[in-house]
Amino acid sequence: QVQLVESGGGVVQPGRSLRLSCAASGFTFSSYAMHWVRRAPGKGLEWVSFISYDGTNKYSADSVKGRFTISRDNSKNTLHLQMNSLRPEDTAVYYCARGAGFGGGWHDYWGQGTLVTVSS
Amino acid sequence: DIQMTQSPSSLSASVGDRVTITCRASQSISNHLNWYQQKSGKAPNLLIYAGYSLQNGVPSRFSGSGSGTDFTLTITSLQPEDFATYFCQQNSSMPFTFGPGTTVDIK
Repeated sequence: QVQLVESGGGVVQPGRSLRLSCAASGFTFSSYAMHWVRRAPGKGLEWVSFISYDGTNKYSADSVKGRFTISRDNSKNTLHLQMNSLRPEDTAVYYCARGAGFGGGWHDYWGQGTLVTVSS
Repeated sequence: DIQMTQSPSSLSASVGDRVTITCRASQSISNHLNWYQQKSGKAPNLLIYAGYSLQNGVPSRFSGSGSGTDFTLTITSLQPEDFATYFCQQNSSMPFTFGPGTTVDIK
């Protein structure tokens, strides 16, 4: 069965960095686009970043552009999100999600989420 | 960027009620609209994709309709497990924006 397991969350001071990982299993990881989506406390879902199946195409939300970098290692079935210059407003549960359909436009499987708290 | 709005932001309903949630896009997105359900402390769950296609394993009481800018999620007979927050999302163009959500709670 499809499984996505995030790791790497925690408490970090503003301006510092954190790297999230998402371990995928139960499907051919290298055939699917992947996304990161977050939900801040008391807020709705916010789409964060996209990477194509082969890693050649990437896109990020304006709120994280220039600070967050999505990447993948298809040999290890792993997705990453490198988060630099973290801000308090980046505090959220971060989910990795598989992209389904043409262009990977909807998210048919999600991880359980990892909490990132940015606070001094 | 395409902006998504939802109405209502919250509603109270009883088991067995018919519930309708509306989602509107700031420009035409054809049928590139998805619906998710999220329960407290859990990951979101895909209900409907491409406007009206029911995701595998999702009960048939859920349905989606609409195209262009206006979309609807309907739950024909609300069940106890349906009390949750519902989000629409457009995947017509990046960034794939979500609506603000509609919380369905018990009347």
